[in-house]
Amino acid sequence: GAGVSQSPSNKVTEKGKDVELRCDPISGHTALYWYRQSLGQGLEFLIYFQGNSAPDKSGLPSDRFSAERTGGSVSTLTIQRTQQEDSAVYLCASSLVRDHTDTQYFGPGTRLTVL
Amino acid sequence: AQKITQTQPGMFVQEKEAVTLDCTYDTSDPSYGLFWYKQPSSGEMIFLIYQGSYDQQNATEGRYSLNFQKARKSANLVISASQLGDSAMYFCAMRELTRQLTFGSGTQLTVLP
Repeated sequence: GAGVSQSPSNKVTEKGKDVELRCDPISGHTALYWYRQSLGQGLEFLIYFQGNSAPDKSGLPSDRFSAERTGGSVSTLTIQRTQQEDSAVYLCASSLVRDHTDTQYFGPGTRLTVL
Repeated sequence: AQKITQTQPGMFVQEKEAVTLDCTYDTSDPSYGLFWYKQPSSGEMIFLIYQGSYDQQNATEGRYSLNFQKARKSANLVISASQLGDSAMYFCAMRELTRQLTFGSGTQLTVLP
């Protein structure tokens, strides 16, 4: 079946602008995660959605970052007033929590460049 | 303290040989999962293998096996019969009760012809 999809694949923006990144998880997966991969910082967790529960926002680096998940499926990560340090690859993953391994499957990522 | 440590920034292996990529972890949770992912230069994160903390046997998936030593808190990935297409960055990751993955810094594997 279809894997996790993300759009856009690349985004170039100017400092101070807002950006929206989209993630479409694997059908039937109840959990959705956002991570960020940047040089020098490795892969860092941002936010986690599970069903109708309140999201775990503990990884968001500042209040300029927010995310929502509509209808338990598609998620949008929004970065307001982008800064150059926000430049990174943003990865989305989803998992079927009922599966005892709860393996996370990743999308291809969105490469964000803030000029 | 680092939760996941990968001490080999880069590794080289001859085609058709086996290679071991090291990973040690730190957790006080009794229940956790350990994962290995492969990231080729194209950027996608590809799931390779999973080991649960209560699993009695080492996990295997084709040419991949996980050498799980719970007392030593190590979860090394063994790739047998290396192929040129195995050249990539390899990440060890752990999931604790909080569910999100914590990643190591990765090992860049290069397979030589």
